[in-house]
Amino acid sequence: AQSVTQLGSHVSVSEGALVLLRCNYSSSVPPYLFWYVQYPNQGLQLLLKYTTGATLVKGINGFEAEFKKSETSFHLTKPSAHMSDAAEYFCAVQLRTGTASKLTFGTGTRLQVTL
Amino acid sequence: DAGVTQSPTHLIKTRGQQVTLRCSPKSGHDTVSWYQQALGQGPQFIFQYYEEEERQRGNFPDRFSGHQFPNYSSELNVNALLLGDSALYLCASSFTGTGAYEQYFGPGTRLTVT
Repeated sequence: AQSVTQLGSHVSVSEGALVLLRCNYSSSVPPYLFWYVQYPNQGLQLLLKYTTGATLVKGINGFEAEFKKSETSFHLTKPSAHMSDAAEYFCAVQLRTGTASKLTFGTGTRLQVTL
Repeated sequence: DAGVTQSPTHLIKTRGQQVTLRCSPKSGHDTVSWYQQALGQGPQFIFQYYEEEERQRGNFPDRFSGHQFPNYSSELNVNALLLGDSALYLCASSFTGTGAYEQYFGPGTRLTVT
C-alpha cells in the first residue's frame, strides 16, 4: 500500500522568502509523484509531476520539486513567495500501472504568506 | 476547451436521503475518478470508471455507487446519507492510454448532510 506524509499542516512565510513544503512517501516501488494546489472553495490544480527522467521537475507559478529516491521524498520549493501562493498544497502518489490509476494524497499543507 | 465540470455546486440533504452528483470529463478523456475530501483532509479515492465499468475502488461502503455513460460522463450516488458523508466531492478525468497518468479535477460538489 502507498502512503504520503506531509510534514507541517501549516507553514507561514514572508513574501519574498523561500517556500519549502515537505513530502515523504511510502511505496513498494517508486511511484509517480504529484503536487496539487487548492485555492479556497475550488478543485485541485496540478502544479507539477515526476514520472521519469530528471529528478528536478519544474512546474507552474515558479514551483519546483526534487525526487530523492534514497530519502523517499518529493519536497516542493519556490525561491520567492508571493501573496497569491497562499493556498492548500497536496502531495500525491500514483502506482506505475501504465494508466491514470488512483491518487493517494497526503493530508495537505496550508501555506500562509505574510507581508 | 471545457475542463471538468460538476453539478450541482452545493447540495444540502437530510440523513437517510439519497443523492446523485454529476461529472462531465475534459474533452478527449475517457476515464472518471471520484474522490471525497472531508474538511481539513486530503482527498480520498472512492472509485474509477472506464468503459462504463468500475475499474478500481477505494475503501468506501456499498452505499457509494457510480455509473459511467457512453459519452464518458459519470454519476456518483450515495444512499442512506450519514452526517459523516458531508464533504467536498471531487471528480477527476483522465485518458487511458500509453504513458497517460495525469488526472484533471473539477471544482467539486459541496455536500452537507443535516
